[in-house]
Amino acid sequence: GQNIDQPTEMTATEGAIVQINCTYQTSGFNGLFWYQQHAGEAPTFLSYNVLDGLEEKGRFSSFLSRSKGYSYLLLKELQMKDSASYLCAVSTTRGDDMRFGAGTRLTVKP
Amino acid sequence: DAGVTQSPTHLIKTRGQQVTLRCSPKSGHDTVSWYQQALGQGPQFIFQYYEEEERQRGNFPDRFSGHQFPNYSSELNVNALLLGDSALYLCASSLVDTQYFGPGTRLTVL
Repeated sequence: GQNIDQPTEMTATEGAIVQINCTYQTSGFNGLFWYQQHAGEAPTFLSYNVLDGLEEKGRFSSFLSRSKGYSYLLLKELQMKDSASYLCAVSTTRGDDMRFGAGTRLTVKP
Repeated sequence: DAGVTQSPTHLIKTRGQQVTLRCSPKSGHDTVSWYQQALGQGPQFIFQYYEEEERQRGNFPDRFSGHQFPNYSSELNVNALLLGDSALYLCASSLVDTQYFGPGTRLTVL
């Protein structure tokens, strides 16, 4: 089976930095995705990590450690519009489907 | 370039009825995946279609079936609706690894 764990809720202040962690246990791990989902909307793609290390894309960065089954999403210079749910998802070598965590609801306060 | 589109946006059905949801993939994408997202949860993988065949299936009963057409568009059918089928149904299309989501269909079963 697969376990994907991430914190349920987080709160941070506008302009600050926040790190959202994701741990996973799965056989045949292939890659890890992060998606952002605003309430009532579809998930939008943020990042995809296959190899260990940090991938930076503007204010957002994503890190992966395959040996530790661990990833994080780092959001810098937080803006109010970053208030959303952040979904961690893994893909496996068995196929191209993704298995999602329950999501972390981030609230950015002024 | 149109993204992933889904129809209808909202749907209300009663228990025991049948429903068909539709998805058109992003231009150039040949793979369509369907997900069910209950409120406050991450998306759950239903199945994936490629070359008009069901390539992979999640842990959903046979009441959930699908189809992919030669133009890569897809349908999700749910028979004998239960109250628990109320959810946001997301379609995602892909070409290689990254899946891009449509806006979803909100299904309410009364």
